[in-house]
Amino acid sequence: QSALTQPASVSGSPGQSITISCTGTSSDVGSHNLVSWYQQHPGKAPKLMIYEVSKRPSGISNRFSGSKSGNTASLTISGLQAEDEADYYCCSYVGTITFRVLFGGGTKLTVL
Amino acid sequence: QMQLQESGPGLVKPSETLSLTCTVSGGSIRSSSYYWGWIRQPPGKGLEWIGSVYYSGSTYYNLSLKSRVTISVDTSKNQFSLKLSSVTAADTAVYFCARLMTTVVGGWYFDLWGRGTLVTVSS
Repeated sequence: QSALTQPASVSGSPGQSITISCTGTSSDVGSHNLVSWYQQHPGKAPKLMIYEVSKRPSGISNRFSGSKSGNTASLTISGLQAEDEADYYCCSYVGTITFRVLFGGGTKLTVL
Repeated sequence: QMQLQESGPGLVKPSETLSLTCTVSGGSIRSSSYYWGWIRQPPGKGLEWIGSVYYSGSTYYNLSLKSRVTISVDTSKNQFSLKLSSVTAADTAVYFCARLMTTVVGGWYFDLWGRGTLVTVSS
């Protein structure tokens, strides 16, 4: 099964808002609310930012928000800060008889 | 505070088997709330789920790797392991172990990660 589709890169200036899309199919993103988002800085392990489409783990800034429409999930970062510059990955559960996990190809966020 | 730590050889020869272990500390691997997983990231590329295991031993694999992958759990040592056979240069990657949270009504997200370990396939 192919990876979820994300834009390769997005950019924004400090204080602005950006949105990263994650497009799947009716068999994965479109079939449930089990989409998560991860932030990864160079040389570091990924960090959970959003789970179940729109929920934030404890300690994650409310500048990060998630949503979904049909087969596309989105991550929005408002009030961009320099430390937000990183790679972002979406992830979806895929379940039928057994389960699988799909990641998006990743999006490089540049804070100008 | 639970932590995960990957261990294993950093260099594997082509056609051989890559073996890694993830040690869980600060908590028990025997939890009904978690699966345990392996994810890899080739240099400069994205994340790829390899597979996951439940403490009972039930396993779930990426279909593209299934023929070469074995993931197992040792509850007595609080560890789970990855074996990837017949490796090639394309298997060179940072390998992460991670905790996959599940709930009765949802979940399915990786909420705790190891630091990752680079495995290079080369003769």
